[in-house]
Amino acid sequence: QQQVKQSPQSLIVQKGGISIINCAYENTAFDYFPWYQQFPGKGPALLIAIRPDVSEKKEGRFTISFNKSAKQFSLHIMDSQPGDSATYFCAASSGANNLFFGTGTRLTVIP
Amino acid sequence: DGGITQSPKYLFRKEGQNVTLSCEQNLNHDAMYWYRQDPGQGLRLIYYSQIVNDFQKGDIAEGYSVSREKKESFPLTVTSAQKNPTAFYLCASSGGPLISSTDTQYFGPGTRLTVL
Repeated sequence: QQQVKQSPQSLIVQKGGISIINCAYENTAFDYFPWYQQFPGKGPALLIAIRPDVSEKKEGRFTISFNKSAKQFSLHIMDSQPGDSATYFCAASSGANNLFFGTGTRLTVIP
Repeated sequence: DGGITQSPKYLFRKEGQNVTLSCEQNLNHDAMYWYRQDPGQGLRLIYYSQIVNDFQKGDIAEGYSVSREKKESFPLTVTSAQKNPTAFYLCASSGGPLISSTDTQYFGPGTRLTVL
C-alpha cells in the first residue's frame, strides 16, 4: 500500500512555465515532508522540505504548498528551466526512522 | 570530500550468485539505509541501521542481508533467494535516528545491479 501518492507520473513544461507536482497522504502522524530531485544515474538529493506548522515554504524558484486539512502537499517550480529536467520524489515521515516515498514524477522542460 | 560512496556503479552477476554492494560514509552519521528503486515504484526500503551492530528489516528485506560492523560502512548482500534482483540500489545516511529537517537522509550515487 502506497503511503504517499504522487501525480502526475510525467510532466512536460515549456521553458519559463510553472511545473506543479502533487502528493497526498493518509497518515496524520506524518510531520515532515521533503522533496527530492534525482537526475538519471544519480542518487536523489534533498531539494526542499516543510513541516505541517506552515502552509508554504519558498526557496528560490521552488515552493512547497501544504494543505494539512486535505492531507496534500505540492511542489511548484517557477520559471522552469531545461536544467530542472529530472525525476522528483515527494516523501513523508512521522519522525521515526523511515521515509515513505511517492512513486516519482519525471519532469521534462522543453527549451 | 565528505559524502556517501557506493561501489561499484555498475554490477553484473549471473543468476544464483550472491553479490555484495558497498556503501561507505564519512559524514559521521549514525543511521544508514538501503533502498531499491524500480521504474514507476519509487524508493522502497530494504534495511536500515540506527547504530553499529544493529539493523532492522524494511518493507522488502526478503532475499537481502546486511551488516553494520563499523559506523561508516553498511554493505548489502543480494542473495540468490531474491527473486528479481535487477534494480538500482541506493544507500543513504542520516545524522540521527529520527527523520526531520535537521536529520534528513542523504543519498549515495547508487549501484545498478543487473542479473543475467
